[in-house]
Amino acid sequence: GENVEQHPSTLSVQEGDSAVIKCTYSDSASNYFPWYKQELGKGPQLIIDIRSNVGEKKDQRIAVTLNKTAKHFSLHITETQPEDSAVYFCAAGPGQGAQKLVFGQGTRLTINP
Amino acid sequence: ETGVTQSPTHLIKTRGQQVTLRCSSQSGHNTVSWYQQALGQGPQFIFQYYREEENGRGNFPPRFSGLQFPNYSSELNVNALELDDSALYLCASSLDVAGELFFGEGSRLTVL
Repeated sequence: GENVEQHPSTLSVQEGDSAVIKCTYSDSASNYFPWYKQELGKGPQLIIDIRSNVGEKKDQRIAVTLNKTAKHFSLHITETQPEDSAVYFCAAGPGQGAQKLVFGQGTRLTINP
Repeated sequence: ETGVTQSPTHLIKTRGQQVTLRCSSQSGHNTVSWYQQALGQGPQFIFQYYREEENGRGNFPPRFSGLQFPNYSSELNVNALELDDSALYLCASSLDVAGELFFGEGSRLTVL
């Protein structure tokens, strides 16, 4: 079955700097790659997603890149702000869309003022 | 528009007991997925319900079972609780089986 590895497990950056989180997946049939932000005491919230027919997608300060050949995808956050502090999860969808998502282990991002 | 709500928010059970967790899906959503999130880990897919039928299951034993009702709300039942069942149980609803997941805040289960 699908396996998703996520790095780093913790990341600390200065406010205004960029943050990059990387994930690799194993199942070449996966075709949907969402990123979720989870704040303390809350459920995960989708922040951006990408499908296998697209190499890059951007939404304001957040971008995701996908390399299907290498089976890895990355989240890029620019001009980080204190409210970006949270745990971020990548996931891969081996089924239809967001069905049966396999999540990475998470990255705790801390933005230092 | 009401989001996904789960109950109870916290509960404590002892090993061997049974538990039922409840989820009300977002208005207009006909699909509910359940995930287990152990402390410090990513969520793990348990199963999905679409129009009252199970539509996919992860690597969880049969003592994990579910229901979906005509109003698309859902229940997760766990029998013969084990210590390793201690986790945050997340419910997510979606417009259809492949649609964007909208998660609730979860039910924190502690098994002693």
